Amino acid sequence: KNQVEQSPQSLIILEGKNCTLQCNYTVSPFSNLRWYKQDTGRGPVSLTIMTFSENTKSNGRYTATLDADTKQSSLHITASQLSDSASYICVVSATNDYKLSFGAGTTVTVRA
Amino acid sequence: GAVVSQHPSRVICKSGTSVKIECRSLDFQATTMFWYRQFPKKSLMLMATSNEGSKATYEQGVEKDKFLINHASLTLSTLTVTSAHPEDSSFYICSAGGQNYGYTFGSGTRLTVV
Repeated sequence: KNQVEQSPQSLIILEGKNCTLQCNYTVSPFSNLRWYKQDTGRGPVSLTIMTFSENTKSNGRYTATLDADTKQSSLHITASQLSDSASYICVVSATNDYKLSFGAGTTVTVRA
Repeated sequence: GAVVSQHPSRVICKSGTSVKIECRSLDFQATTMFWYRQFPKKSLMLMATSNEGSKATYEQGVEKDKFLINHASLTLSTLTVTSAHPEDSSFYICSAGGQNYGYTFGSGTRLTVV
């Protein structure tokens, strides 16, 4: 069964600090992995998308990494801002299935 | 980039009435759209896949007579919650796109049934 596990479930960081979110998956055969940011009461917004051959992808202060061999990904937030407070969702798709596998998300709270 | 518009963003309705939620792809054609439901602090749960010009494919446990889906054009899919009950209160999100260029989500609809 295709599964996506995210950790931690939630975290609190001070403004200006960095943090790293983890995503482990068992989706196979792997097609791509996406990180989304979801603000409360809003739909998810894409941050990064990576295919099998990509190890790192950045989008501003967000940097995602992918290790397709160990089936792990991380999302690093640099110099956090209050607006980074949101849920971050790891989404993985398989090549033979149009359905997406969602992680439960990591809730990040940035405090001043 | 691809834009998906979802309307309304919030709706409150009385028990027993029906509510329609629209999902539009604004700058691309979407033969397939997806409808999700999200409970508080939980991830998105796929309810159904909406196929343009044909019947929707529902996930196991989702009542197709309760959640009517119509995908009449390449840019519009609608979800109608029929005879709504308080337990139908939730956050509903649509998405469109594809494997190769990513999935774009709508902004979501908060449904409250009173």
